[in-house]
Amino acid sequence: EPEVTQTPSHQVTQMGQEVILRCVPISNHLYFYWYRQILGQKVEFLVSFYNNEISEKSEIFDDQFSVERPDGSNFTLKIRSTKLEDSAMYFCASSVGGYTEAFFGQGTRLTVV
Amino acid sequence: GDSVTQMEGPVTLSEEAFLTINCTYTATGYPSLFWYVQYPGEGLQLLLKATKADDKGSNKGFEATYRKETTSFHLEKGSVQVSDSAVYFCALSPNTGNQFYFGTGTSLTVIP
Repeated sequence: EPEVTQTPSHQVTQMGQEVILRCVPISNHLYFYWYRQILGQKVEFLVSFYNNEISEKSEIFDDQFSVERPDGSNFTLKIRSTKLEDSAMYFCASSVGGYTEAFFGQGTRLTVV
Repeated sequence: GDSVTQMEGPVTLSEEAFLTINCTYTATGYPSLFWYVQYPGEGLQLLLKATKADDKGSNKGFEATYRKETTSFHLEKGSVQVSDSAVYFCALSPNTGNQFYFGTGTSLTVIP
């Protein structure tokens, strides 16, 4: 069964460093998303991506964040100058259409120390 | 704006008990509604969905009916098992825009 895969599963980084979280969406999906979940809290929308550009982003998704689809399969989230409060589980998701169900990856746990 | 309000947890039930987790939504138009489940240490898995009013989504013994008149999508299961212990998230996808709005999640623990 096709699935969304994310790497790495856990990333530890020092405050101020840049990290890149990687995702391989399901191959025939057209919409891609990043969400984050701070431990014990709700799942928060960061950004959606369609047709090689950002289609929506939340107020969390400021200049510190960027997304890219560098080739036909990968979808990345870059976080510049990480802060302690960026520590969270980051989920990538993809969907066939804009209103259809999204399939989530297993997540990358980012720990900023 | 669009939002989902979900029953606060945690919920603890004995095996074979009846489960209801309440979910209500606010949205313009006609959103699609979903329940996702997150098992310990894992990602979000789609449990069931409904795309229009009066639709009933069902999977693994869980059911939820899209009620437009009460703007609700309550999750039910007639007889829970220990393996159902997880966090359950109600979510909606509006018919405009392409993001999902999640509830705060309800933690369920089923004890033998």
